[in-house]
Amino acid sequence: DAKTTQPTSMDCAEGRAANLPCNHSTISGNEYVYWYRQIHSQGPQYIIHGLKNNETNEMASLIITEDRKSSTLILPHATLRDTAVYYCILVKNNAGNMLTFGGGTRLMVKP
Amino acid sequence: DAGVIQSPRHEVTEMGQEVTLRCKPISGHDYLFWYRQTMMRGLELLIYFNNNVPIDDSGMPEDRFSAKMPNASFSTLKIQPSEPRDSAVYFCASSLGGGRSTDTQYFGPGTRLTVL
Repeated sequence: DAKTTQPTSMDCAEGRAANLPCNHSTISGNEYVYWYRQIHSQGPQYIIHGLKNNETNEMASLIITEDRKSSTLILPHATLRDTAVYYCILVKNNAGNMLTFGGGTRLMVKP
Repeated sequence: DAGVIQSPRHEVTEMGQEVTLRCKPISGHDYLFWYRQTMMRGLELLIYFNNNVPIDDSGMPEDRFSAKMPNASFSTLKIQPSEPRDSAVYFCASSLGGGRSTDTQYFGPGTRLTVL
């Protein structure tokens, strides 16, 4: 049962911001929103996570709506190396931070 | 830190043979996870350990699969006997302890298994 919904694919021009949406309308109060990405032939890589406040780190920004039913991952200046599959995952705040991967969004950054 | 180390990176074997995949987690991490990735099913969690003890193995497909963690720095995933449908990329990941959901997982490069 998919707890998050993401578009299957997106394109972005190099140097422009990439905005990747995620819907999680059934999110519960103790679930965090995590984003990972997987570049071709590599293992998944952690990007960012948040509970209800917007977050920013050196890789990306995470915007979570006030009702927490959706979020957006923002790559401010996409490069060709950002081409990857991006996964939005809900993680419960309890022992064992199990990740359940959905289909993700395949982001293609084009020159 | 060298990150999560997996070996071998590639394995080709014949149906019926035993396959052993190995993982060395990041030093100090208390959680270790085994995932499998296929085109059809995507990334699936197979089993995870906390302090070397298996906690949830509900994702292990069948009795042909077994995983062990004899110490904090080593884990194996064994398939015996292997079948062509086991062909996939197997990832190992580790994370810090405490059971906090804020602990991120660090993935290894994966082992690409092909069963002929």
